[in-house]
Amino acid sequence: GAGVSQSPSNKVTEKGKDVELRCDPISGHTALYWYRQSLGQGLEFLIYFQGNSAPDKSGLPSDRFSAERTGGSVSTLTIQRTQQEDSAVYLCASTPTGVFTEAFFGQGTRLTVV
Amino acid sequence: AQRVTQPEKLLSVFKGAPVELKCNYSYSGSPELFWYVQYSRQRLQLLLRHISRESIKGFTADLNKGETSFHLKKPFAQEEDSAMYYCALSGSARQLTFGSGTQLTVLP
Repeated sequence: GAGVSQSPSNKVTEKGKDVELRCDPISGHTALYWYRQSLGQGLEFLIYFQGNSAPDKSGLPSDRFSAERTGGSVSTLTIQRTQQEDSAVYLCASTPTGVFTEAFFGQGTRLTVV
Repeated sequence: AQRVTQPEKLLSVFKGAPVELKCNYSYSGSPELFWYVQYSRQRLQLLLRHISRESIKGFTADLNKGETSFHLKKPFAQEEDSAMYYCALSGSARQLTFGSGTQLTVLP
């Protein structure tokens, strides 16, 4: 596609349920990032993929959070047993190979845990 | 570890006034620094990067390694500049770290 695509754009889930958020990066972009944007908290780094591997998982807030990337393309962020504090906008970004130039962001998934 | 600090969560200026959004960073190597902007209901996008030494929409930012700062400046603010601005740093590991953001409001 022309840009980074995230789905769903909005998700409302009940506390305790599992959710999956999807990111489809720009074709050919090898690096993929997940961030969480909470009101008043700015952008919180979650995880970074280079190809299919994740050199840095340090930002994942708890073991309820996991992410994978297959085929060097689509990535899925999974949150198990969701809590109300997980409510936020989850952003995905991708960058091309080589020297870091610009990160292209998706429109985000707004997650609301009720 | 790399860290980016934006001390102002909110900043209001009048149209035509100068504006400066502060950004300080912590990184032991040579960082690449960026400013990203998010206009209302739009996705986050790159505004400028220090290696390009460019001016975009009248904004400039100079990397000051002595003060570890990368402040964003514009001499005459416009109402359409109202947005959320994020300073970001990329280190050797290519992890992009963002500051907490500054919401700029330009008043008429």
